[in-house]
Amino acid sequence: QLQLQESGPGLVKPSETLSLTCTVSGDSISSSSYYWGWIRQPPGKGLEWTARMHYSGTTHYSPSLKSRLRTSVDTSKNQFSLTLSTVTAADTAVYFCVRFLGYSYGYGPVPDHWGQGTLVTVSS
Amino acid sequence: DIQMTQSPSSLSASVGDRVTITCRASQSISTYLNWFQQKPGKAPKLLIYGASSLQSGVPSRFSGSGSGTDFTLTISTLQPEDLGTYYCQQSYSTLALTFGGGTKVDIK
Repeated sequence: QLQLQESGPGLVKPSETLSLTCTVSGDSISSSSYYWGWIRQPPGKGLEWTARMHYSGTTHYSPSLKSRLRTSVDTSKNQFSLTLSTVTAADTAVYFCVRFLGYSYGYGPVPDHWGQGTLVTVSS
Repeated sequence: DIQMTQSPSSLSASVGDRVTITCRASQSISTYLNWFQQKPGKAPKLLIYGASSLQSGVPSRFSGSGSGTDFTLTISTLQPEDLGTYYCQQSYSTLALTFGGGTKVDIK
């Protein structure tokens, strides 16, 4: 059974860098059929896609966050990570790591499995 | 970016009612439309993909329809466990995935 688990600090100071890791079990992130990524949700608000990556290195970032985002994949640990630099209070959110269906399925990138989410608060 | 507009933003219905939620895209997205259910404090769960395909394990009382710019999610017979917030999402613009603002469903 596929499981995704986010980990990282729950509190980050303004202007610093937010770093999160997602550990995947029950599937290999080296599968060519899927992408892996992040979706966030500010408290009490809606969902915002942030990044999507393939183990081969192909990466897509939200245009609104592109200048501050970096992602990486560690196939040996079956993990992928996100870093968001120069954070502000607007980056306070629950961050979900997600598996996306690949293009071969014919539906575009559909987030079909989600981690439980981790709340990251930006505050001094 | 493609804007996704859901209506209503909230609704209250009785157990057994038929419930319909609509989602409109700011431009045509063919059938690249997905629906999610989010219960309080939980991660969203995929219900429908490709506008009308039911995700494995999802009860058959959930159905989706539409193409182009107008889509609907229907719950044929509302159950108590269906309370939560429902989101649509377009997967047409692959470099700028976007979600609707959500529809909160309460049980009367």
